[in-house]
Amino acid sequence: ETGVTQTPRHLVMGMTNKKSLKCEQHLGHNAMYWYKQSAKKPLELMFVYNFKEQTENNSVPSRFSPECPNSSHLFLHLHTLQPEDSALYLCASSQRVDPDYGYTFGSGTRLTVV
Amino acid sequence: SQQGEEDPQALSIQEGENATMNCSYKTSINNLQWYRQNSGRGLVHLILIRSNEREKHSGRLRVTLDTSKKSSSLLITASRAADTASYFCATSGNNRLAFGKGNQVVVIP
Repeated sequence: ETGVTQTPRHLVMGMTNKKSLKCEQHLGHNAMYWYKQSAKKPLELMFVYNFKEQTENNSVPSRFSPECPNSSHLFLHLHTLQPEDSALYLCASSQRVDPDYGYTFGSGTRLTVV
Repeated sequence: SQQGEEDPQALSIQEGENATMNCSYKTSINNLQWYRQNSGRGLVHLILIRSNEREKHSGRLRVTLDTSKKSSSLLITASRAADTASYFCATSGNNRLAFGKGNQVVVIP
């Protein structure tokens, strides 16, 4: 384990469902990130949180709603998703937003929207 | 675009051989990082090379950086079957880490 834990590992949801992805780290990192990984595409940065404040929303549709209650926990709330939202969603953390020290990634949640 | 682009996209080698992959980028960077991703897992940070460094080693990994050509290479020496994975370069600048599409490496036992 890397120190960043994501749950669930796999999720299948219908387009009308509401679900949440969870990410947790106890590395003492202050920055957390959500990335989307689709086949044959570069990783897409979705959201950045620094000391639990959102500092970046990379033009993500409102059907994805992040929540960061504290520096150790990050959620991604999902509702009325589309089949093209099916992907591997990766959470990462770093000591600071400045990526000078590398990111630590979780194992991801494989999301399938049916 | 700051995004790294790996080359070749897919590489298949015999165990024991060396694997080399390249990454090119377009803008100035603070550092360049390489990550490994095993199938269905998250990315694992391998090595970071700063913009004022030209070469760095970590175990069987050797990374070079040529800022004049805006390119980097990752060499895995004496490859093992366990090195089978996707390898990503990521460029750091403007407080962002931008990843390339990845490079699939298959090491045949």
